Amino acid sequence: EADIYQTPRYLVIGTGKKITLECSQTMGHDKMYWYQQDPGMELHLIHYSYGVNSTEKGDLSSESTVSRIRTEHFPLTLESARPSHTSQYLCAHSQGDEQFFGPGTRLTVL
Amino acid sequence: QKEVEQDPGPLSVPEGAIVSLNCTYSNSAFQYFMWYRQYSRKGPELLMYTYSSGNKEDGRFTAQVDKSSKYISLFIRDSQPSDSATYLCAMKTSYDKVIFGPGTSLSVIP
Repeated sequence: EADIYQTPRYLVIGTGKKITLECSQTMGHDKMYWYQQDPGMELHLIHYSYGVNSTEKGDLSSESTVSRIRTEHFPLTLESARPSHTSQYLCAHSQGDEQFFGPGTRLTVL
Repeated sequence: QKEVEQDPGPLSVPEGAIVSLNCTYSNSAFQYFMWYRQYSRKGPELLMYTYSSGNKEDGRFTAQVDKSSKYISLFIRDSQPSDSATYLCAMKTSYDKVIFGPGTSLSVIP
């Protein structure tokens, strides 16, 4: 039973476009995360939030921004997409140490 | 040196084999250890979680932690084609964020 949703699942766009990747969870957990994952590489934390109106940058520098206006919603925005942003973006939430991941958004910027 | 090292594989074994997946780490403050399984084009899902040295068994899966050697393992008995996936180790201190290994790609051949 899915309790975390990401849309779109796949996105191909041109350089310079503004995009928003959506992430929603139904568990009411305070902690949410965005990871970037390239093929064969480890997950890199790019943003996290420990509650409403709380956002922090992760270990990997990213040109994206996030917001947390509602507990269940943690969207990620790229103001001007570039080919270097091509990657898989994974959203997750947690209450304790276990993180629950969404299916990911595979982004390709041409 | 990366905090968490994991052989990326790929690892290919025949059905029914015992699989051993391993990670080493450098931060002696890590106390919580996890194994995630990630199927192709899906998000990772938690497989095993342990916070102490020793073994933890769950069905065909056994997680082993050796803090003195900074070494963790995941054993899969009677491997099945459905076990074909990427396995990521993950660990954290008591207060910091989760650090993921790059993952080992496993193929179980029928």
